[in-house]
Amino acid sequence: QKEVEQDPGPLSVPEGAIVSLNCTYSNSAFQYFMWYRQYSRKGPELLMYTYSSGNKEDGRFTAQVDKSSKYISLFIRDSQPSDSATYLCAMSGSGNTPLVFGKGTRLSVIA
Amino acid sequence: DGGITQSPKYLFRKEGQNVTLSCEQNLNHDAMYWYRQDPGQGLRLIYYSQIVNDFQKGDIAEGYSVSREKKESFPLTVTSAQKNPTAFYLCASSIGPNYGYTFGSGTRLTVV
Repeated sequence: QKEVEQDPGPLSVPEGAIVSLNCTYSNSAFQYFMWYRQYSRKGPELLMYTYSSGNKEDGRFTAQVDKSSKYISLFIRDSQPSDSATYLCAMSGSGNTPLVFGKGTRLSVIA
Repeated sequence: DGGITQSPKYLFRKEGQNVTLSCEQNLNHDAMYWYRQDPGQGLRLIYYSQIVNDFQKGDIAEGYSVSREKKESFPLTVTSAQKNPTAFYLCASSIGPNYGYTFGSGTRLTVV
């Protein structure tokens, strides 16, 4: 079983839709959870950062962490064509180990 | 503006040659990382360094080498021992291991 599982998609939605992106993980030591957005041929950029369980909202984006289920989600409200990108989840534990990344979900928002 | 710079953007290598990818940051970050990205594979960690003059192997270190002589710089050498080097290489830096990473814009290496 891989440490972090993420459905690669592709996911195609109409403009204005609510998008739900998800990752599951197996390591119960993970405490730091992040979402990155990567446009084609560019480096990833940090979108959301969450520590432990709970929700975090930033504009149209909401990150949720459910540690009991080992499941994290990213919701995008009122999706726009400019949201079309690959979204990668990433997580780490309390030690000095680097982030573990999911494989990424490719999202297309159609105008 | 602070940031992380990778060069060159595109690199072509003949089989049997070593090549070095540059990564420089002016964010005063202690930690730096090298990832390889292949289609459908996500980001795979090659090497990382949490302090000057120290670095650790990641999941796919074979055929690669690094140095960390300065805080700002973390060059990656792809040696002739790397059997399938064609990929998109990403460098990142962070304040520490549990903080968000800042990524460079990547170097696309092609073996010809």
